[in-house]
Amino acid sequence: AQKITQTQPGMFVQEKEAVTLDCTYDTSDPSYGLFWYKQPSSGEMIFLIYQGSYDQQNATEGRYSLNFQKARKSANLVISASQLGDSAMYFCAMREATAAGTASKLTFGTGTRLQVTL
Amino acid sequence: EAQVTQNPRYLITVTGKKLTVTCSQNMNHEYMSWYRQDPGLGLRQIYYSMNVEVTDKGDVPEGYKVSRKEKRNFPLILESPSPNQTSLYFCASSFLGSNQPQHFGDGTRLSIL
Repeated sequence: AQKITQTQPGMFVQEKEAVTLDCTYDTSDPSYGLFWYKQPSSGEMIFLIYQGSYDQQNATEGRYSLNFQKARKSANLVISASQLGDSAMYFCAMREATAAGTASKLTFGTGTRLQVTL
Repeated sequence: EAQVTQNPRYLITVTGKKLTVTCSQNMNHEYMSWYRQDPGLGLRQIYYSMNVEVTDKGDVPEGYKVSRKEKRNFPLILESPSPNQTSLYFCASSFLGSNQPQHFGDGTRLSIL
């Protein structure tokens, strides 16, 4: 079963507008972490934002915020005031805790390609 | 500067010629991992390591080997590369813990002819 689902292969947004990138996940583990990464055309993977399963507040990092709805198992990334430099591939990922108290691998979705237009 | 360094960045080689992609991190991370990225499939884990001399298979380990003799290094070995291993490869490292983000190297683009 797909653990991380990103249903939007591509999105367009106008500069200065906000955009939401969807991510749903599947886990039976009560302890897990959700991450968003950005991959620009140059190829590197850039960590953007983290949300823990026990966090009460939605995570925010500058123009990035995470709309975390635990009951729906969704962790959507919101980018406010889009800039041309935000054009990139965005990946949602999850890391579950193991029984030993360490973390499992990072499981990735298939990504959403965001294009910011003038 | 804290970083994960992979080498080479690009490699074109032929079927069957053994190759090694090196990965080194300077952040004292316990956890290291290799991923491959293919269009439409996202990133898939090849192998990972939680500590020195401790390695385990990820989702797509066939055709690859790894070793973890030192904490900072985690090389990926393709003993007999084949064209289906043409891909973009990433090494990543982190501290243990589900709240720890993985830090990625810049990637290695491998073409196996």
